[in-house]
Amino acid sequence: DGGITQSPKYLFRKEGQNVTLSCEQNLNHDAMYWYRQDPGQGLRLIYYSQIVNDFQKGDIAEGYSVSREKKESFPLTVTSAQKNPTAFYLCASSMGQAVDTEAFFGQGTRLTVV
Amino acid sequence: GEDVEQSLFLSVREGDSSVINCTYTDSSSTYLYWYKQEPGAGLQLLTYIFSNMDMKQDQRLTVLLNKKDKHLSLRIADTQTGDSAIYFCAERDTGRRALTFGSGTRLQVQP
Repeated sequence: DGGITQSPKYLFRKEGQNVTLSCEQNLNHDAMYWYRQDPGQGLRLIYYSQIVNDFQKGDIAEGYSVSREKKESFPLTVTSAQKNPTAFYLCASSMGQAVDTEAFFGQGTRLTVV
Repeated sequence: GEDVEQSLFLSVREGDSSVINCTYTDSSSTYLYWYKQEPGAGLQLLTYIFSNMDMKQDQRLTVLLNKKDKHLSLRIADTQTGDSAIYFCAERDTGRRALTFGSGTRLQVQP
């Protein structure tokens, strides 16, 4: 079955550590996105990538980094520079840049700083 | 930049209709979306509407679009307890092609 997979589902990080969230899709989608969700708020765009080896900052990119070395994978690293990383992180993918393409979401990773 | 707004909470009784409202600012939006999120899960696309349409119906779901007022609504007929979730309105940013989401409306269905 085609889909988008995020791992792990739950992640705990000590203050000062970097941590990487995984996002893999087998939908042959060109575009991939990372969003952050805080309680009572909508999703905010962290980074997005329209094509392999290219990515752009979203609205809240500070303290995060990404790579897009393969079409299928778009890992997100939460660095120690991110002051408030505890949140629910959602990865999405879509076929391309056309406005009528649906975005498919993974099941999310809940990151907690301990 | 683009902005999407929704009311935060809606409570209805089982069997009633639910209407969730959304306003957006990007007049160039061509597609508008409704997503559903159950607790601890990702987002599931419910339906979408093209901006040259006024209404779209899909089984129990009806989407109404007032482009002049930039107002979008989602009506769920015969609401069931399984419809309890957070519903997000979204528009696609015509520049970045990423989705811009509202804050979500939590729908509570009472038996």
